[in-house]
Amino acid sequence: EVQLVESGGMLVQPGGSLRLSCAASGFNVTTSYMGWVRQAPGKGLEWVSVIYSAATGGNTFYVDSVRGRFTISRHNSKNTLYLEMNSLRLEDTAVYFCVRKVVLGYYFDYWGQGSLVTVSS
Amino acid sequence: QSALTQPASVSGSPGQSITISCTGTSDDVGAYNYVSWYQQHPGKAPKLLIYDVDNRPSGVSNRFSGSKSGNTASLTISGLQAEDEADYYCSSYTRHLNFDWVFGGGTKLTVL
Repeated sequence: EVQLVESGGMLVQPGGSLRLSCAASGFNVTTSYMGWVRQAPGKGLEWVSVIYSAATGGNTFYVDSVRGRFTISRHNSKNTLYLEMNSLRLEDTAVYFCVRKVVLGYYFDYWGQGSLVTVSS
Repeated sequence: QSALTQPASVSGSPGQSITISCTGTSDDVGAYNYVSWYQQHPGKAPKLLIYDVDNRPSGVSNRFSGSKSGNTASLTISGLQAEDEADYYCSSYTRHLNFDWVFGGGTKLTVL
């Protein structure tokens, strides 16, 4: 059974840093395309980042508003996806969902339960 | 980030059919057959309902169907049931310079 379990969300001050983790089970993150989607309180979904499989080069992509501040990565032996977030802003406050993107397609077939990041002074 | 345009809310009675529209541009919905739809109940993670415009994943009821015409995609739910009350989001791959995927603002479905 495919499962994605996020952790690491917490209250952080503006300008601070945080790392989210997403532990995967039931499949291999190394051979998968993985990503993050966020949802600000009471708002809609926003795509944040994606990392392609190692076999296809492991390229990473980001939405413009986080490029240069966020870094997506994975730990192969731990089967875990990460999102390193630096220079956090008030507008980064959101629930961050870990997602799996299908290899041969452009949609997200599995979602984690989400991890809340609150940026506030 | 420019979101796809969805109605904020729709409603219907049990047994009826409703359609939710999702309007994009020639850079996203109109450019690719990569429209997907997600259902989200309060406090829960989104769930994939439709992919590639009109395909249903295994396990999703055939009461849910998708279509597309030009820059507008649509999700139709037939035979409305109480458990269909949720938020629905469309999404599309995009060739926009600054992001790869775009979502709609979401539509709240109320089953009367």
